[in-house]
Amino acid sequence: SQQGEEDPQALSIQEGENATMNCSYKTSINNLQWYRQNSGRGLVHLILIRSNEREKHSGRLRVTLDTSKKSSSLLITASRAADTASYFCATAYSGGGADGLTFGKGTHLIIQP
Amino acid sequence: DGGITQSPKYLFRKEGQNVTLSCEQNLNHDAMYWYRQDPGQGLRLIYYSQIVNDFQKGDIAEGYSVSREKKESFPLTVTSAQKNPTAFYLCASSDQRAWQFFGPGTRLTVL
Repeated sequence: SQQGEEDPQALSIQEGENATMNCSYKTSINNLQWYRQNSGRGLVHLILIRSNEREKHSGRLRVTLDTSKKSSSLLITASRAADTASYFCATAYSGGGADGLTFGKGTHLIIQP
Repeated sequence: DGGITQSPKYLFRKEGQNVTLSCEQNLNHDAMYWYRQDPGQGLRLIYYSQIVNDFQKGDIAEGYSVSREKKESFPLTVTSAQKNPTAFYLCASSDQRAWQFFGPGTRLTVL
């Protein structure tokens, strides 16, 4: 079964608003990663947060990790129409991801212009 | 340009035929991966290789085979034993930073 589960499955907001997506997972992890996928394309890595980190920032992205709750959130601030995409969380086990990542089903984000 | 290429972009296959999907990278990454994505779903790991001449089964390896004769190449063969092969196939590679770089994908349709 898939390790991560994103919530919500779909999200539609107005341009300029903030978008928050959540991810829950089941077992202990080495790191958690967020990826973006435009329709019919490959995935693009956004940010990686290690199990001993609680928060990371990258441009308009902010990721938090709560290992006690086995959950993570991705915040996109000041959203733009170009942010429309599917967003996936992926977890890596003790090997750090060398033996592959486990993906959730994703959150489909639509930014209304 | 450095990156990962996959070919073809679209592939059509008749039932009972084997097909091979190409994946090439010039990022000098040791590790390479194959994932399958079905509509509205996340990615599921088929096979991975951490080094040349070695590969491991992922979560859904049945009906698939791979080889890793060169560092740059990790082809995936979808055999006739795969009962439901229609899907979007994504290849990825990674370095010590642990995040993965993905190719553009191959959409396989069985007719």
